[in-house]
Amino acid sequence: AQKVTQAQTEISVVEKEDVTLDCVYETRDTTYYLFWYKQPPSGELVFLIRRNSFDEQNEISGRYSWNFQKSTSSFNFTITASQVVDSAVYFCALRRSGGSARQLTFGSGTQLTVLP
Amino acid sequence: ETGVTQTPRHLVMGMTNKKSLKCEQHLGHNAMYWYKQSAKKPLELMFVYNFKEQTENNSVPSRFSPECPNSSHLFLHLHTLQPEDSALYLCASSQVAGLSYEQYFGPGTRLTVT
Repeated sequence: AQKVTQAQTEISVVEKEDVTLDCVYETRDTTYYLFWYKQPPSGELVFLIRRNSFDEQNEISGRYSWNFQKSTSSFNFTITASQVVDSAVYFCALRRSGGSARQLTFGSGTQLTVLP
Repeated sequence: ETGVTQTPRHLVMGMTNKKSLKCEQHLGHNAMYWYKQSAKKPLELMFVYNFKEQTENNSVPSRFSPECPNSSHLFLHLHTLQPEDSALYLCASSQVAGLSYEQYFGPGTRLTVT
């Protein structure tokens, strides 16, 4: 069975602080994909990143960076110099490389609030 | 805007009503999905359509009935719902289902069953 745990239910930071959102996953598959999505108050989930299990290189995109560590089954997301517009719920998700769409498993999300 | 639209954005209905949710994607994708998002719970996959064929029904009660007339449109027909069905219903699309393609989501329909 697959499982994604986002232990931080809510995080509150002050603008310009750095913040890391944790994601820990469980899977028996050797090949899988990990995703991060952002859900602003408007409701739609916005795709941020996809990472496959064979690529452990960390990735940076502007103020966003992701740290993938297979040894600890973690795929953490860091926002540098946070801004008020970063306030949203962030979801981590896990997916098998094959199989059905049923295998896309979401974490319960982390509500990030960035205060001015 | 992600290219996936949903209407209505908000819906209040009684338990005896019949209503439909509509989703349309403008991305040229071949797979479409319905998800349910309840408060304090992870997203739950409800249905998957791949090239207009339903490939997944994740044990969803029959009071929810999906319809996919073509690869761009997806409906969710609702009848005799229960208060616990109140949730945000999200539609998504991807290139195809069952592969690693990321899904693009619509803004959702906030459903309240009274």
